[in-house]
Amino acid sequence: ILNVEQSPQSLHVQEGDSTNFTCSFPSSNFYALHWYRWETAKSPEALFVMTLNGDEKKKGRISATLNTKEGYSYLYIKGSQPEDSATYLCAFPSYDKVIFGPGTSLSVIP
Amino acid sequence: EAGVAQSPRYKIIEKRQSVAFWCNPISGHATLYWYQQILGQGPKLLIQFQNNGVVDDSQLPKDRFSAERLKGVDSTLKIQPAKLEDSAVYLCASSLNRGDTEAFFGQGTRLTVV
Repeated sequence: ILNVEQSPQSLHVQEGDSTNFTCSFPSSNFYALHWYRWETAKSPEALFVMTLNGDEKKKGRISATLNTKEGYSYLYIKGSQPEDSATYLCAFPSYDKVIFGPGTSLSVIP
Repeated sequence: EAGVAQSPRYKIIEKRQSVAFWCNPISGHATLYWYQQILGQGPKLLIQFQNNGVVDDSQLPKDRFSAERLKGVDSTLKIQPAKLEDSAVYLCASSLNRGDTEAFFGQGTRLTVV
């Protein structure tokens, strides 16, 4: 059974702090890793699709890195803002299905 | 491009009642997923369709849950009878094909069973 893990489960940071969290996935048969942001009462929104070992993607204050050999990806948020409060999900496509991690719930306190 | 549409957005029912959710995926997307997201947990795949065929329903509680995707487009998910532990957000997602591309999500249906 393939397992995708995320840590921490939840995080509370002050506005302006930088933060990061981790997604761990099986390192064999890697195809891609997806990061999603899921705000309350909205659809999960795709942030990044990462495919290459050593990949680094950036969107505004959010960036992500990928290590396929050891099976992890980091998501970084620089200078957190209240609007960054959401659950961040990583997803691992495996052959013909997509397996989600449990998510990291981020709360940014003004 | 229109997104994934789901209805209703919210539903409150009593235990042992029945409920149905509807999903219209993005046009042309062959793969459709139904996920259950219980508070504090990540989305759990209930069932995956490829066109109108079932690819994976291993985590669908088949004694009470059923789903269909007639004509390979719209899909309905039904719970009959509902239990308290079915309270969750039910997300529908679609992708062009199986597992190899980004999935696009609907806004979900928040079900509360009382």
